[in-house]
Amino acid sequence: GAGVSQSPRYKVAKRGQDVALRCDPISGHVSLFWYQQALGQGPEFLTYFQNEAQLDKSGLPSDRFFAERPEGSVSTLKIQRTQQEDSAVYLCASSLDFREAGNTIYFGEGSWLTVV
Amino acid sequence: DQQVKQNSPSLSVQEGRISILNCDYTNSMFDYFLWYKKYPAEGPTFLISISSIKDKNEDGRFTVFLNKSAKHLSLHIVPSQPGDSAVYFCAASPNPNFGNEKLTFGTGTRLTIIP
Repeated sequence: GAGVSQSPRYKVAKRGQDVALRCDPISGHVSLFWYQQALGQGPEFLTYFQNEAQLDKSGLPSDRFFAERPEGSVSTLKIQRTQQEDSAVYLCASSLDFREAGNTIYFGEGSWLTVV
Repeated sequence: DQQVKQNSPSLSVQEGRISILNCDYTNSMFDYFLWYKKYPAEGPTFLISISSIKDKNEDGRFTVFLNKSAKHLSLHIVPSQPGDSAVYFCAASPNPNFGNEKLTFGTGTRLTIIP
């Protein structure tokens, strides 16, 4: 596809359940980002990949959050033992190469997670 | 600690007039600034950016102004059109060489253009 694709678009999880959110970046994009957006807030950085290397995971809120990009393309954000405070929109974004100043970051439509 | 602040949660502007959205930041390490537009149920869409070596960048109806000494930037939309109604996010990046790494976003301003 032409844009960043995320699935599922909507997910309702029971508290304690594990969830996996998938991101297909734009073809050829080296850099991939995950952001979390709570209701009424701006997106907050979670983690960043350059190809398959996870260069920054400082924004992951706890060790229940895990992200991977094993082949440098598709990425999965996994949340274990979900809690109600995990309810948010999870945005994936990609860029040609973050090292090039001025490169635009393109966002997907997000995965809306509700934990009940 | 909110490092990027958009103090106006909402703004209403008459169609055809100028819309001015404001953003303040506290981190003096920020060197690259971007504006994103977001429609409901969609991801943010890049609008315009500016690096700290400039004080103005213009793209069609959109102009971004940067005042480094005041740690303030603004987005001007002129003339405003109904399709501009959306939430606008200001974002900042700390690294001068890597323009887009780890963006820090504001909380957004909901712009409504009144026909």
